[in-house]
Amino acid sequence: DSGVTQTPKHLITATGQRVTLRCSPRSGDLSVYWYQQSLDQGLQFLIQYYNGEERAKGNILERFSAQQFPDLHSELNLSSLELGDSALYFCASGGQGNYGYTFGSGTRLTVV
Amino acid sequence: AQSVAQPEDQVNVAEGNPLTVKCTYSVSGNPYLFWYVQYPNRGLQFLLKYITGDNLVKGSYGFEAEFNKSQTSFHLKKPSALVSDSALYFCAVRVLSTNYGGSQGNLIFGKGTKLSVKP
Repeated sequence: DSGVTQTPKHLITATGQRVTLRCSPRSGDLSVYWYQQSLDQGLQFLIQYYNGEERAKGNILERFSAQQFPDLHSELNLSSLELGDSALYFCASGGQGNYGYTFGSGTRLTVV
Repeated sequence: AQSVAQPEDQVNVAEGNPLTVKCTYSVSGNPYLFWYVQYPNRGLQFLLKYITGDNLVKGSYGFEAEFNKSQTSFHLKKPSALVSDSALYFCAVRVLSTNYGGSQGNLIFGKGTKLSVKP
C-alpha cells in the first residue's frame, strides 16, 4: 500500500456520461497530481493541486475538471465522456522539496 | 521545451545478465530525475531518484542509475536481471513551477520501456 488511495479501481460507463474519480493523498502530503495513462499517449500530466489551490495545468481537456477539498482529498470529474477517454487515471502526492512522488494504484476507466 | 526520451520501446535480456534501460532528458536548470516501474494492472512504484550528489544512485530491488550531465542521460541498470524484473519502466523529470519558490513541480514521463527478462 503506497498510502495514496484511489477509488474506484474500475469504472465502466457509456459515452456522454459523467464520472468522478477520487484520490486521498498520503498522510502529510499537501499536493495532489492527476495523470492519464493511455496506450497512444503514454503518461500525461493533467493537473496539480496544492492545499486546495490549483498549481499547474497540463494536457487537461475542458471537459475535465478537478478540485481539492479541505481534507486534502481530490476529485477528478470527467464529463461528456468519449471512447477515447478510456484510460488508466493515476493520482500522485508529494513532490515537495527533495521528496519524491507516491502514486496510487489508479482507476481504470472504460467508456463504451 | 522540457522532455524525457526513452529510445527503446522494449529491452530483452536473459536472466542473470546485466540490463540497461536508457533515458535522456532535456530540462532547464538542474534536473530532478526519477525511475518508476509498473507491473501489469498495477500502479507506478518508485525505484530511485537523483536530486544532487553522487552520480550513481542506488534504488530498490537492486537497481541503480547513473546520472551523466554532459550526455544528459540517466540510464537505469542492474548487474543481474531476474525474470521478476519484467515490467514497464518509466523515466521522469520534475518540471519546477516558476512560481511558489520553485520548490514544486510535476513529473514529465518518458513513453516507457518494456523490459522482458527470459529464463
